[in-house]
Amino acid sequence: KQEVTQIPAALSVPEGENLVLNCSFTDSAIYNLQWFRQDPGKGLTSLLLIQSSQREQTSGRLNASLDKSSGRSTLYIAASQPGDSATYLCAVRPVNNAGNMLTFGGGTRLMVKP
Amino acid sequence: DAGVIQSPRHEVTEMGQEVTLRCKPISGHDYLFWYRQTMMRGLELLIYFNNNVPIDDSGMPEDRFSAKMPNASFSTLKIQPSEPRDSAVYFCASSLGGTLVAFFGQGTRLTVV
Repeated sequence: KQEVTQIPAALSVPEGENLVLNCSFTDSAIYNLQWFRQDPGKGLTSLLLIQSSQREQTSGRLNASLDKSSGRSTLYIAASQPGDSATYLCAVRPVNNAGNMLTFGGGTRLMVKP
Repeated sequence: DAGVIQSPRHEVTEMGQEVTLRCKPISGHDYLFWYRQTMMRGLELLIYFNNNVPIDDSGMPEDRFSAKMPNASFSTLKIQPSEPRDSAVYFCASSLGGTLVAFFGQGTRLTVV
């Protein structure tokens, strides 16, 4: 059974810092990995999706990398801003696309202080 | 498109009552998912549909939970009878099989007292 772990569970940084959020998964047979952002009391917003054949994806100040063989992904946030404060979740989809189910990590709660 | 639309946003009900949660997926999406989020267990997949057909309901906690998708633009998740431990935020998500990016609704916060 796939297990997804995110470390740290919570992170507080001053504005302007570059930071890295970590995601690890136990079964490397994944189809893709997706990073989400969740604001308090809100739904999930998709940030980046990395296919299993890719090593990274970039969107603005965000960069996500994937090392499938070691079961790891990182989300790099450059020049953090208070508006980046949210919970960040990673989720993996199994290689059997007929399953098409996402297994989520527990999330990293990020606070960027002005 | 307005995105995935869920209703109601909040629901408070008494134990034993029937609860129905509603979801309108993004037009054209062929997959629909129901998730439940709690502090203790995080996000868990309950059931998903492909082209309106339930594919995997192994995440449904027990027979009190049922889900339907009568057409491509509407799905319901019903709990009957509801119990306090069902209190959670329930999310609906949809995706287009080709891209596989999942889009989530705003969720329904259910409180069973």
